[in-house]
Amino acid sequence: EVQLVESGGGLVQPGGSLRLSCAASGFTFSSSAMSWVRQAPGKGLEWVSGITSRGGTPFYADSVKGRFTISREDSRNTLYLQMNSLRAEDTGVYYCAKVLAVSGLYFDYWGQGTPVTVSS
Amino acid sequence: EIVMTQSPATLSVSPGERATLSCRSSQSVSSNLAWYQQKPGQAPRLLIYGASTRATGIPAGFSGSGSGTEFTLTISSLQSEDFAVYYCQQYHYWPTFGQGTKVEIK
Repeated sequence: EVQLVESGGGLVQPGGSLRLSCAASGFTFSSSAMSWVRQAPGKGLEWVSGITSRGGTPFYADSVKGRFTISREDSRNTLYLQMNSLRAEDTGVYYCAKVLAVSGLYFDYWGQGTPVTVSS
Repeated sequence: EIVMTQSPATLSVSPGERATLSCRSSQSVSSNLAWYQQKPGQAPRLLIYGASTRATGIPAGFSGSGSGTEFTLTISSLQSEDFAVYYCQQYHYWPTFGQGTKVEIK
């Protein structure tokens, strides 16, 4: 059974940092591209960042480019998102998601999400 | 950025009836379109990808169609567990989602 378990969310002041983690199991993590998708309270979904398998090439939405860093540790089956210079608009639930196929960035498995609140 | 627009925002349907949800993209995305279902407090679930291919374990009552800029998700006979918010997402370029259609009980 595929499982994705996020952790690391919490309350942080504007300008602060957080590091999210996503522990993966039930599939060959090293062979899978992964992404982070967020959802502001009561709002829709927004893709934040992605990373390819093996070589780990990162991709970012313009809204987080230069502030967030995605990485992966295949030996630990873990995906990370380092979030710096956080803003109020970064508040939301952050989901880790597995990319289904090399044909495109769409997601067949999602974690339960970890909440991030940026507020003073 | 490719903008995805879903309509209607809310769809009121009686159990057993058919529901038809629409999604439009601001430029052609070919067939690079996915649909997700999200229930309150839960993560999204992939229903359809490639505009019309059902994901693993998705019942045949869910079907997708369209290409280019116009797409449709049809739920043939609504069951109680189908009342939820549905999102379309294009992956022709960097992923973007529609704002969602809430399917509620009439």
